Amino acid sequence: AAGVIQSPRHLIKEKRETATLKCYPISRHDTVYWYQQGPGQDPQFLISFYEKMQSDKGSIPDRFSAQQFSDYHSELNMSSLELGDSALYFCASSTGSREKLFFGSGTQLSVL
Amino acid sequence: AQTVTQSQPEMSVQEAETVTLSCTYDTSESDYYLFWYKQPPSRQMILVIRQEAYKQQNATENRFSVNFQKAAKSFSLKISDSQLGDAAMYFCAYGSNYQLIWGAGTKLIIKP
Repeated sequence: AAGVIQSPRHLIKEKRETATLKCYPISRHDTVYWYQQGPGQDPQFLISFYEKMQSDKGSIPDRFSAQQFSDYHSELNMSSLELGDSALYFCASSTGSREKLFFGSGTQLSVL
Repeated sequence: AQTVTQSQPEMSVQEAETVTLSCTYDTSESDYYLFWYKQPPSRQMILVIRQEAYKQQNATENRFSVNFQKAAKSFSLKISDSQLGDAAMYFCAYGSNYQLIWGAGTKLIIKP
């Protein structure tokens, strides 16, 4: 079975530009999570969605927004990019809040 | 607020031997769940094992098992018959709703 798909795998942007990261969860998974992982750091929770509604919010900057669509895929929109936004962005999906989270391969964002 | 502590930044083990990675957490909740994830150099986040707090029986997955001590708030991971492919960063994570709280990680080195 296909796992969580994230696109693009790598993204290079300039400061103050915008970026959109996409996540396609495992089939029949209704919950999507976004995490940010800086170099040598543990993942930081950004936001999650359950059945297309935001279910929890973590340390997501106001410059970022996200949504889950009717087909359950999710997009993370990032505006006014800063150097500090350079990180690996993971999407994960599950069948509920207490179930196993399966992670995508991540999108490596580099802001120059 | 919940916290997760992994006190071993780095551990090494001889191939085929057994190693135990430590994790402690702090919470006032009674209903929660715990994970171990591994992150190899590819940076893919891979689920190793999951434990529900209400279950007294320790979870096992092939060569991986946990020692869950709820009263002591301890959740250690034992890897038996260590293999070269086990070399990775191992993260302990705590969850009670939609977001996971992560430890800082333990880097596991396998000596051939």
